[in-house]
Amino acid sequence: AQTVTQSQPEMSVQEAETVTLSCTYDTSENNYYLFWYKQPPSRQMILVIRQEAYKQQNATENRFSVNFQKAAKSFSLKISDSQLGDTAMYFCAFMKHWRAGNQFYFGTGTSLTVIP
Amino acid sequence: DSGVTQTPKHLITATGQRVTLRCSPRSGDLSVYWYQQSLDQGLQFLIQYYNGEERAKGNILERFSAQQFPDLHSELNLSSLELGDSALYFCASSPRTDQNTEAFFGQGTRLTVV
Repeated sequence: AQTVTQSQPEMSVQEAETVTLSCTYDTSENNYYLFWYKQPPSRQMILVIRQEAYKQQNATENRFSVNFQKAAKSFSLKISDSQLGDTAMYFCAFMKHWRAGNQFYFGTGTSLTVIP
Repeated sequence: DSGVTQTPKHLITATGQRVTLRCSPRSGDLSVYWYQQSLDQGLQFLIQYYNGEERAKGNILERFSAQQFPDLHSELNLSSLELGDSALYFCASSPRTDQNTEAFFGQGTRLTVV
């Protein structure tokens, strides 16, 4: 079975600073996908960034980037130049292909507060 | 807008009652997933359907049931409701297995049991 672990329940960062959220996962699959979702106070689930396991290059989306270490099964999210709007719960997710529908596994989340 | 529609957005009901939550997936998506999120908690996976058939089951109570219809919309039925069932219920959808995309989430249905 796949598991996703986020070991930081809560984090805070000063506005304009950089913060890194950790995520590790356990799987025997070789081909899979990893995601970071953001859930702001509105509770909407918003995709932040995605990474294909077969790609060695780390994904980047504007101020958001990941450090993907496949051998270590680690997938951390770096937020640069933190903004107040980044305050949210962040969920790490793992997706594997399955013949009967892709399966998703979510971590327990990290609550990030950006301090003015 | 993710393209996933959930109705109703809010629901208030009494203990012991039964409710039905509805989800319309993105056009063409075959998989539907249901999640429960209690206050300040993570996402608890309930159940997954693929093209009308149940494919995976998580921590879904026996009082809860779901189905996916031929037009691919899905309903989650919650019966004999208890106060602890108060939560945000999310539906998500994703395409065929050969399409490598994320799960797309609806806005959720906030259920309050009083």
